[in-house]
Amino acid sequence: SQQGEEDPQALSIQEGENATMNCSYKTSINNLQWYRQNSGRGLVHLILIRSNEREKHSGRLRVTLDTSKKSSSLLITASRAADTASYFCATGGNDMRFGAGTRLTVKP
Amino acid sequence: NAGVTQTPKFRVLKTGQSMTLLCAQDMNHEYMYWYRQDPGMGLRLIHYSVGEGTTAKGEVPDGYNVSRLKKQNFLLGLESAAPSQTSVYFCASSLNSPTNYGYTFGSGTRLTVV
Repeated sequence: SQQGEEDPQALSIQEGENATMNCSYKTSINNLQWYRQNSGRGLVHLILIRSNEREKHSGRLRVTLDTSKKSSSLLITASRAADTASYFCATGGNDMRFGAGTRLTVKP
Repeated sequence: NAGVTQTPKFRVLKTGQSMTLLCAQDMNHEYMYWYRQDPGMGLRLIHYSVGEGTTAKGEVPDGYNVSRLKKQNFLLGLESAAPSQTSVYFCASSLNSPTNYGYTFGSGTRLTVV
């Protein structure tokens, strides 16, 4: 069974808009990670947020974590066509488990 | 720096045939993983290793075996391939526990079993 579940399954926006994706999980975590996957490629690590952190930034990415609600969100600001990809959250110990992903399409 | 290299990139097998997928990393990472990705299912963990000579089962280990004889290599074997094993297989590695480190992924092996 998957530990994290992303929402929505698919998201389509215009270039320049912000994109928000959510991840919910079921058990307590040490950290939560976000990854990006371009079509037909391997996943790329974006950001790791620890359970004692509430927010983390990396360039145009902002990740929040609410352990009381067992949820995280990934915000991409000022989106670009190149941000078109699937985004996954992952949680776990030595055996990280991934959700099914959010498919983001950014239209030029 | 090659990162994580998977061999082969594509393969077509007949039901009942066997094969080995090779994963090699040159980053001196301790942890290595094999995942499969199916449409709408996300990634599911098959087996993983927390160091040379160790292996452990993941979510979907049945029908697969693994070996980690050398730190840099993690092999995934299919002894008798079945159509249900048609998938894209990804290898990943991390410097140490993913509690502290993110994964580096290979580019995948697309396997079709007919």
